[in-house]
Amino acid sequence: EAQVTQNPRYLITVTGKKLTVTCSQNMNHEYMSWYRQDPGLGLRQIYYSMNVEVTDKGDVPEGYKVSRKEKRNFPLILESPSPNQTSLYFCASSPWTGGFNEQFFGPGTRLTVL
Amino acid sequence: AQTVTQSQPEMSVQEAETVTLSCTYDTSESDYYLFWYKQPPSRQMILVIRQEAYKQQNATENRFSVNFQKAAKSFSLKISDSQLGDAAMYFCAYRSFEGGSEKLVFGKGMKLTVNP
Repeated sequence: EAQVTQNPRYLITVTGKKLTVTCSQNMNHEYMSWYRQDPGLGLRQIYYSMNVEVTDKGDVPEGYKVSRKEKRNFPLILESPSPNQTSLYFCASSPWTGGFNEQFFGPGTRLTVL
Repeated sequence: AQTVTQSQPEMSVQEAETVTLSCTYDTSESDYYLFWYKQPPSRQMILVIRQEAYKQQNATENRFSVNFQKAAKSFSLKISDSQLGDAAMYFCAYRSFEGGSEKLVFGKGMKLTVNP
């Protein structure tokens, strides 16, 4: 089954404790992206990657890191989480053949930073 | 920078009736792509419909259709014969390729309630 998977689905952590949210897709997509969703703000892009070893900042990159060492994986790293990073996080992927392609979203990760 | 505005945070519709969700956007690009996504209580993001800016014809997908007005930078979604399963958050999104980088910009969303 073609899908984007994220782990963990739920995470409660404390301020300053490094964490990684994994994202993996099995569709051989070039493009991958991370978003955060907050009430009243919609989804905002954190980072994206147009291919292996190619990443770039989205609209809200502060406090986050990403890497793209393999085509299928695009982990999101919070080196020192803070309470303002409490949010719902989505990973998405799509083929890089132009912008009309649908972005496939993962199921989301609910992160709470105390 | 591109922006997407959904001015109505909430709407309700009676089952079997028609409802229109509004979306406007701001851009200086001439070629771009627009999308409507649905997010039910399960939180899964589901593509509803998409439109290429250079195509004059409005996109349709079964009960869902758009009214794309490029000059007005408007991209509204019409849901006909509303069903209980249409109740969800709806997000309008703009996909751009400005400066060689690709971004998907979302509106703040609109909560649709369907009354039986």
